[in-house]
Amino acid sequence: AQKITQTQPGMFVQEKEAVTLDCTYDTSDPSYGLFWYKQPSSGEMIFLIYQGSYDQQNATEGRYSLNFQKARKSANLVISASQLGDSAMYFCAMREGSQGGSEKLVFGKGMKLTVNP
Amino acid sequence: DTEVTQTPKHLVMGMTNKKSLKCEQHMGHRAMYWYKQKAKKPPELMFVYSYEKLSINESVPSRFSPECPNSSLLNLHLHALQPEDSALYLCASSQARSGFVYGYTFGSGTRLTVV
Repeated sequence: AQKITQTQPGMFVQEKEAVTLDCTYDTSDPSYGLFWYKQPSSGEMIFLIYQGSYDQQNATEGRYSLNFQKARKSANLVISASQLGDSAMYFCAMREGSQGGSEKLVFGKGMKLTVNP
Repeated sequence: DTEVTQTPKHLVMGMTNKKSLKCEQHMGHRAMYWYKQKAKKPPELMFVYSYEKLSINESVPSRFSPECPNSSLLNLHLHALQPEDSALYLCASSQARSGFVYGYTFGSGTRLTVV
C-alpha cells in the first residue's frame, strides 16, 4: 500500500505568488516524521522542512511552511512568494520509527513545480 | 562541515567491470544510507548502516555490496551490473535527537551508466 501520496504531477505558478503542494500519508505508527525535499535538475536532494508527529505547531522555515493536519493525515507544503529558483521536483517523505538506522525514509512520487516569470 | 560528499559524480561502466561509489560525511552522524533513483521516480532505499553495522538491506541483488569502513565513510561496491542498474545513486546520513531522526542530509549523487 502506498504510504505517501502526492497526486499533483505538476504545477505552474507565477513568480511572487504562493503555492501549496499536497501530500497525504498513511501509517499506524504513532511516531513518525514528515519531510519535504526539493530536487533540482542537478540531482541533489535539498532538505526544506520537517514535521514530527508529536509536534504541536506547524513547522516553518523561511518561505516554507508545513500545513500539518494530523487527523486528515495530510502534510501540505506552502511556499510563499515563489521565486524562479523554486522550479524543481518536490518530494514528500515519511520516516517511520524513531531510531536512527532502524527507520526508513519513504518518498512519495514527487511533483514538478514550474515558476513562471 | 554540513555536507555529504559523493564520488565520482558520474560513472560509466561495462557489465563486467568492478567499480566502487564512495560517500563521506564529517557531521558525526551515526546512520548512513544508500538510495537508488531511476529517472522521473522517487529515491528507493537500498541499505542502511547504523553505528557502522548493516541494519537494513532492502533485498538488493548481491551485485551491489555495501561497506562501512568507519563512521564517516560508506562505500558501494559494484560488480557485474546490468543496464537496468543505470540510475542516480544517492548517499545520505541522518541526525537524531532524543531517539527521533529529524534530518537527513543527502549527497549530490553519482550518476551511473551501465553499458
